[in-house]
Amino acid sequence: DVVMTQSPLSLPVILGQPASISCRSSQSLVHSDGNTYLSWFQQRPGQSPRRLIYRVSGRDSRVPDRFSGSGSGTDFTLKISRVEAEDVGVYYCMQGTYWPRTFGQGTKVEIK
Amino acid sequence: EVQLVESGGGLVQPGESLRLSCAASGFTFSSYSMGWVRQAPGRGLEWVSVITAASSFTNYADSVKGRFTISRDNAKNSVYLQMSSLRAEDTAVYYCATLGGDVWGKGTTITVSS
Repeated sequence: DVVMTQSPLSLPVILGQPASISCRSSQSLVHSDGNTYLSWFQQRPGQSPRRLIYRVSGRDSRVPDRFSGSGSGTDFTLKISRVEAEDVGVYYCMQGTYWPRTFGQGTKVEIK
Repeated sequence: EVQLVESGGGLVQPGESLRLSCAASGFTFSSYSMGWVRQAPGRGLEWVSVITAASSFTNYADSVKGRFTISRDNAKNSVYLQMSSLRAEDTAVYYCATLGGDVWGKGTTITVSS
């Protein structure tokens, strides 16, 4: 199985400041169709996961533009340009290139 | 409104069986691959099983292979997870989701305990 490794696992942030989460895969996530299937999910406390980013950098509808995704191959990053209180929660990366689909361990974002 | 609603969770004893259902609405269900993701208490997310739109392909996590069976009925806009030989480690919230993860249900809780 493809192992997804996130860092850090805990991220205390100051409101209004930027935040960045790294996700590394044990294999390149470039699919044979040329696409790279790396998604990011946000899970607020007590809620279901919500997809923020698909195919590395595509932002889902109604996702604020302060969220952005980047990367290629095996190294990916989720950035929040200015953290707001509603961004508290756990963030997961997920690869959709190989079976089985696998998630990272999760990064807990909290307000410092 | 795009929606997935899971049902069928509960408290069961080790070794017993349970069937989860997920009803979809608000989108063309028959065009989407679907799956089940679980989250053990205080833990991360794990894909349990996936089924393609026409049921031509299924995939299972090693941890449930041989014990769980996924199926779907496109006429009823529903996907199912038949779980047998349940173990304590299967205790989790089970979410129904599209394979791409753009739609999620609210989850149903399964507790396996004697």
